[in-house]
Amino acid sequence: GNSVTQMEGPVTLSEEAFLTINCTYTATGYPSLFWYVQYPGEGLQLLLKATKADDKGSNKGFEATYRKETTSFHLEKGSVQVSDSAVYFCALKGNGGYQKVTFGIGTKLQVIP
Amino acid sequence: DSGVTQTPKHLITATGQRVTLRCSPRSGDLSVYWYQQSLDQGLQFLIHYYNGEERAKGNILERFSAQQFPDLHSELNLSSLELGDSALYFCASSAGQVGEAFFGQGTRLTVV
Repeated sequence: GNSVTQMEGPVTLSEEAFLTINCTYTATGYPSLFWYVQYPGEGLQLLLKATKADDKGSNKGFEATYRKETTSFHLEKGSVQVSDSAVYFCALKGNGGYQKVTFGIGTKLQVIP
Repeated sequence: DSGVTQTPKHLITATGQRVTLRCSPRSGDLSVYWYQQSLDQGLQFLIHYYNGEERAKGNILERFSAQQFPDLHSELNLSSLELGDSALYFCASSAGQVGEAFFGQGTRLTVV
């Protein structure tokens, strides 16, 4: 079945540091890939997505590129802020109307001033 | 606002009791997913319904059951509750073949 492997946290960075959170996946065919963010006390929100190989999703300074050759979808941000402190989930959804969404374990990011 | 509504937001109940969590998906979304999030287990997929039919089961206990009704809202029933069932329960909905999942704000269940 489909699976997502995500680096374990927590990740602690200083403000303005470069962020990378690794995510690799296993799936048949061409899944859609997502990054979700969960701020403290809130539900998950979609951060960005990519639906085909070589697509780059971007939002709020975060980027991730769908790499089919390495089955990866790493999340990056050039300069993190304290407000980016949250838990980040990598996810995939297989093709087909009733495919479920599979999530990674989540990576907690803490940005310190 | 994601458009997914979960009720209640908070629930406190005693061990051995039974509760029902309700989810209204975004208008037009046919898929509903239930997840359990606890501190030690992370985000665990429980069950997926598509247009009223069960499509996938994850780590859902036999004490738990769910259904999706003709109007597409869904209910998650938790029975014989144990202390370890205390968690955040999220519902999400999605549409189409590449649609992302939109999450509700969750129901925080506390079993005492």
